Amino acid sequence: DQQVKQNSPSLSVQEGRISILNCDYTNSMFDYFLWYKKYPAEGPTFLISISSIKDKNEDGRFTVFLNKSAKHLSLHIVPSQPGDSAVYFCAASAVGYRDDKIIFGKGTRLHILP
Amino acid sequence: EAQVTQNPRYLITVTGKKLTVTCSQNMNHEYMSWYRQDPGLGLRQIYYSMNVEVTDKGDVPEGYKVSRKEKRNFPLILESPSPNQTSLYFCASSLSRGNQPQHFGDGTRLSIL
Repeated sequence: DQQVKQNSPSLSVQEGRISILNCDYTNSMFDYFLWYKKYPAEGPTFLISISSIKDKNEDGRFTVFLNKSAKHLSLHIVPSQPGDSAVYFCAASAVGYRDDKIIFGKGTRLHILP
Repeated sequence: EAQVTQNPRYLITVTGKKLTVTCSQNMNHEYMSWYRQDPGLGLRQIYYSMNVEVTDKGDVPEGYKVSRKEKRNFPLILESPSPNQTSLYFCASSLSRGNQPQHFGDGTRLSIL
């Protein structure tokens, strides 16, 4: 059973426009969410996180929105830049469950077009 | 420089020949973890360790062993590798909990023939 779903395997966005990556989850116990970015031939790197007590967290060009009632979160990148082309993984955890392990989604490949 | 180092980066081997993938971190992190990445399946946790001599199974532990004798090292052992363990493997570490930002190694691509 896939608890963290990223339903778009890939997304193409024009440089300078907004990129929106979506993530849905099924486990209502999840209360902490993270986004990781991965370039080819490298390991994932942490991007941004959000706790369920918030509905928005912003860090520079990156903003994560959380809609708990819909069990949905999204990552907004504004403006999109060529270096943003990568695979983005959404991850979720339930604090206190199994040492706070995180469950990853399958990832969305973002292509920034010139 | 803070880093997680995995070795080897690439390995082609044959079924049944024991192998070890090493992982070392220099950040004095307590939490370490192994993941495998497969096409269409994302990242799945194999094993994790909360501290020295404390390890636990992740979601796909079958066919793997780990040990944590020192804080900095967390080797992944395949006692009798099989072709279904052909995958891209990542080691990661974080300060103390799994949901804290994890630092990942650059990956080890294993091919089991």
